[in-house]
Amino acid sequence: GQQVMQIPQYQHVQEGEDFTTYCNSSTTLSNIQWYKQRPGGHPVFLIQLVKSGEVKKQKRLTFQFGEAKKNSSLHITATQTTDVGTYFCAVPAGGGNKLTFGTGTQLKVEL
Amino acid sequence: DAGVTQSPTHLIKTRGQQVTLRCSPKSGHDTVSWYQQALGQGPQFIFQYYEEEERQRGNFPDRFSGHQFPNYSSELNVNALLLGDSALYLCASSLGDRRGWQPQHFGDGTRLSIL
Repeated sequence: GQQVMQIPQYQHVQEGEDFTTYCNSSTTLSNIQWYKQRPGGHPVFLIQLVKSGEVKKQKRLTFQFGEAKKNSSLHITATQTTDVGTYFCAVPAGGGNKLTFGTGTQLKVEL
Repeated sequence: DAGVTQSPTHLIKTRGQQVTLRCSPKSGHDTVSWYQQALGQGPQFIFQYYEEEERQRGNFPDRFSGHQFPNYSSELNVNALLLGDSALYLCASSLGDRRGWQPQHFGDGTRLSIL
């Protein structure tokens, strides 16, 4: 079956430091979505990437889709305590809107 | 504009019992997907309903079944509960499956504990 791995599993940073999580797929992807889940909360959609090499920005967040469409990254510049949570990539698995979620990267931010 | 609502928020059951979880999709959405999220893991796809039919299914046994009603709301039923069924059950809604890849809007989930 399709494998979607994220690294690192955990990241502990000081507020103001940068953070990056990487998502790697065993197969070529048509698109990739990113979600954020706050502690005790539910996944919230952040962005979808479709094109090879695509880069999208949302304020301090930068999302990139690899040229081969088998990997993606999420970079946060100057982390804040509001960035705390687990970041998941999610990839299509079959038709419709079935998603396979990555293993997630849990981010903790210290003051 | 109401988002995805799920009920109940918490539930405690014992092994062998049956449970029904409910979900109302975001206004304007017609597709409902169910996910199981064990502690510390990512959501695992259970199945998806569109036009009152199960369209896709993940790697879950037949003990897991569902239904979608004409108003697009949905139920997830789990029979013969096992300790391993303890998890957060998330409902996600989106627009119809012929519209390409759509963002999933998740509810707050139902926390199911099996004793």
